[in-house]
Amino acid sequence: RKEVEQDPGPFNVPEGATVAFNCTYSNSASQSFFWYRQDCRKEPKLLMSVYSSGNEDGRFTAQLNRASQYISLLIRDSKLSDSATYLCVVAPLRGNTGKLIFGQGTTLQVKP
Amino acid sequence: DVKVTQSSRYLVKRTGEKVFLECVQDMDHENMFWYRQDPGLGLRLIYFSYDVKMKEKGDIPEGYSVSREKKERFSLILESASTNQTSMYLCASSKQGYGYTFGSGTRLTVV
Repeated sequence: RKEVEQDPGPFNVPEGATVAFNCTYSNSASQSFFWYRQDCRKEPKLLMSVYSSGNEDGRFTAQLNRASQYISLLIRDSKLSDSATYLCVVAPLRGNTGKLIFGQGTTLQVKP
Repeated sequence: DVKVTQSSRYLVKRTGEKVFLECVQDMDHENMFWYRQDPGLGLRLIYFSYDVKMKEKGDIPEGYSVSREKKERFSLILESASTNQTSMYLCASSKQGYGYTFGSGTRLTVV
């Protein structure tokens, strides 16, 4: 079983749609969680951290369910510019050397 | 903003050449990482370093080595380049407990 699993998609949605991505992780001791965005042929960039209480940044909402070892990202009112690959990222252990575990990514295509 | 700078965006090398990929960060981060990214395989960790002169193998270290003589610089070395090392190479740095900042990547082609 992979340490971080995501549905690779692609998710094809019209502009204005709401879309949700899910991610599961295998290590219950994981401490920190992130969503990264990667545009085609570019480097990944931090989109948002994920906190236990859930957090929102504009049209983006991230949630964490520790009991189910599950992270989600919700995008409301999708824009063409949201088209990208979204990477779920987990920091496995407290006190580790800062290494993060990346999912393979979920591809989103927003169509006009 | 923290910057992670990779020395080359595109590089073409011949089989058997020794290749150096350089990465420099300007925010005093302890941790630095080298990944490669290939279609369908995602990001794979080659080596990482959590302090000067310290290095740890990642998931795919074979055929690579690294050097961290100064805190801000982390070099990836391909001892004898092979065609299966054609890939996008990404360097990242982080402060303990925080997410990574990536460099813009180096597309290496080995012919």
